[in-house]
Amino acid sequence: QQQVKQSPQSLIVQKGGISIINCAYENTAFDYFPWYQQFPGKGPALLIAIRPDVSEKKEGRFTISFNKSAKQFSLHIMDSQPGDSATYFCAASMDTGRRALTFGSGTRLQVQP
Amino acid sequence: GAVVSQHPSRVICKSGTSVKIECRSLDFQATTMFWYRQFPKQSLMLMATSNEGSKATYEQGVEKDKFLINHASLTLSTLTVTSAHPEDSSFYICSANTGGGGYTFGSGTRLTVV
Repeated sequence: QQQVKQSPQSLIVQKGGISIINCAYENTAFDYFPWYQQFPGKGPALLIAIRPDVSEKKEGRFTISFNKSAKQFSLHIMDSQPGDSATYFCAASMDTGRRALTFGSGTRLQVQP
Repeated sequence: GAVVSQHPSRVICKSGTSVKIECRSLDFQATTMFWYRQFPKQSLMLMATSNEGSKATYEQGVEKDKFLINHASLTLSTLTVTSAHPEDSSFYICSANTGGGGYTFGSGTRLTVV
């Protein structure tokens, strides 16, 4: 599998702050870049996704920024809440979803009250 | 939205026995199902890709005789861990392509082999 590198490994943010998680990829054939949220003992749940023809996508408090030339994308969580405390994974796939997702290593986010 | 139902959510089995995990797509046809394995505090690692009506494609290092995948219909894929051992204890998750490039995940199965 092609790698997707994710940072930081863990993140502590105060309530109301902005959480930022970054990912970088090598394979320019990737055409779909989702972010997933996972709570302990549960499967990943899709938060937001972007395709390479768009530089930014916002859904509620979640924003993806995408830099095609740098092969990087990031997740911004605005007004972070304690309920956002979870593990976040970036991922990438190619062939419009016919191939499996390649996941980043994950970021454990803790939002302190 | 597209839902994948995964069962069981937890299973404990004795070493040497086999365990079957089922994933059903409830409101769509899953032509492709992906099976992942996740160790504690680690990322999801792809084990295999299954297409309805054909043999699964396994990732390098995954024993196909140990992890049997069957995708006999467009709504059901199963993973059977044969002759399970403690090192097979893990969190197993299925995922399906929902069309249009999206994916949906099952809720996962925690397997503990004692």
